[in-house]
Amino acid sequence: AQSVTQLDSHVSVSEGTPVLLRCNYSSSYSPSLFWYVQHPNKGLQLLLKYTSAATLVKGINGFEAEFKKSETSFHLTKPSAHMSDAAEYFCVVSPAMDSSYKLIFGSGTRLLVRP
Amino acid sequence: DVKVTQSSRYLVKRTGEKVFLECVQDMDHENMFWYRQDPGLGLRLIYFSYDVKMKEKGDIPEGYSVSREKKERFSLILESASTNQTSMYLCASVMNTEAFFGQGTRLTVV
Repeated sequence: AQSVTQLDSHVSVSEGTPVLLRCNYSSSYSPSLFWYVQHPNKGLQLLLKYTSAATLVKGINGFEAEFKKSETSFHLTKPSAHMSDAAEYFCVVSPAMDSSYKLIFGSGTRLLVRP
Repeated sequence: DVKVTQSSRYLVKRTGEKVFLECVQDMDHENMFWYRQDPGLGLRLIYFSYDVKMKEKGDIPEGYSVSREKKERFSLILESASTNQTSMYLCASVMNTEAFFGQGTRLTVV
């Protein structure tokens, strides 16, 4: 069965410091992996996606994630946090060999950015 | 610009009522999904549809049904609303692994 585990329910950083949001996945085949962000009272927005091309994926707003098959991880990073990054982040897997494009969501990590 | 529109942002319904949540996409996508979002649980798949009149159960279909009579519209139906169905409901339309989400409907059942 496919699953996603976000290792931290809350992460707090100071503005200008690095961000690390951790995600591990379980999948029988090489999956597609995504990070979505949800700002308060807003819809979900795609930050970046991995679909078996380069293992280091760059997204919007300075975020990037690295696919590590040996560690079954897809952690999200940003070198310097901004106040506007405060939001909830979801790691998502779409199983390979599944033409329905079902998305399986992690439980979310709420990022707090302190001034 | 891609657009997924959910008919209501906020709804308050009484226990036992039949509730319809509507979702419309303007991208001619075949795959559409309904999720519910609860704190600490992420998004859980209720139902999805990969074509008109085609539907499949997701992980938590109990108490829900769906309708897809036209490609652009995917409706979620709560046959008899209960308080444990109070939640945020999100509709998504998917093409080539990329999902586009509506703004969500926050449903409160009293």
